[in-house]
Amino acid sequence: DIQMTQSPSSVSASVGDRVTITCRASHGFSQGVSSYLAWYQQKPGKAPNLLIYAASFLQSGVPSRFSGSGSGADFTLTISSLQPEDFATYYCQQGNSLPLTFGGGTKVQIK
Amino acid sequence: EVQLVASGGGVIQPGGSLRLSCAASGFTVSSNHMNWVRQAPGKGLEWVSIIYSGGSTYYGDSVKGRFTISRDTSKNTLFLQMNSLRAEDTAVYYCARWYDSGGLAPGAFDIWGQGTMVTVSS
Repeated sequence: DIQMTQSPSSVSASVGDRVTITCRASHGFSQGVSSYLAWYQQKPGKAPNLLIYAASFLQSGVPSRFSGSGSGADFTLTISSLQPEDFATYYCQQGNSLPLTFGGGTKVQIK
Repeated sequence: EVQLVASGGGVIQPGGSLRLSCAASGFTVSSNHMNWVRQAPGKGLEWVSIIYSGGSTYYGDSVKGRFTISRDTSKNTLFLQMNSLRAEDTAVYYCARWYDSGGLAPGAFDIWGQGTMVTVSS
């Protein structure tokens, strides 16, 4: 199985800050997950919401302050200017092979 | 409107069975790759099962042999039959569509149901 490791597990930030979350794919001697990487935002009591697919493509309706980058094993989600509605938990997820696996999540909290 | 509505959760004793449903509107379940994803209380997301548009099914190791994913074309509904339930199956269960532009692009879960809570407890 491909293991997805996110860091940090939590981050405290202020409105207007730039926030970066990283995600690493690992699986024996594999080359990673190519661009088969998605990012989701989840607020308490709600279903996850797709932000980024194919590592760097913004899902329709998602604000442009969200961006994704990377390929292979190392990926990044960046929020360029944190807004009040962005305080939530973020998950990466690989779609390269079954079982589909998620990172452990990064909680973005108010500083 | 494109949406998924999950139902069927509840409290069940260990060893019991439960069937979850996920009704789709705005798109056709059988033409898409449909999944179940779960989230234990206070924990992260765990993929459970997928049924591809072609009918193939796959499961995570933790539920293999106990859970069965299926769909009803006439009802445009996805199901998850859960047998031999254990305390560690306690979670919110989400249905979700996996969309990959017909295999032309890396996919992602683009539509999610609201979730249904399953509690396995004596």
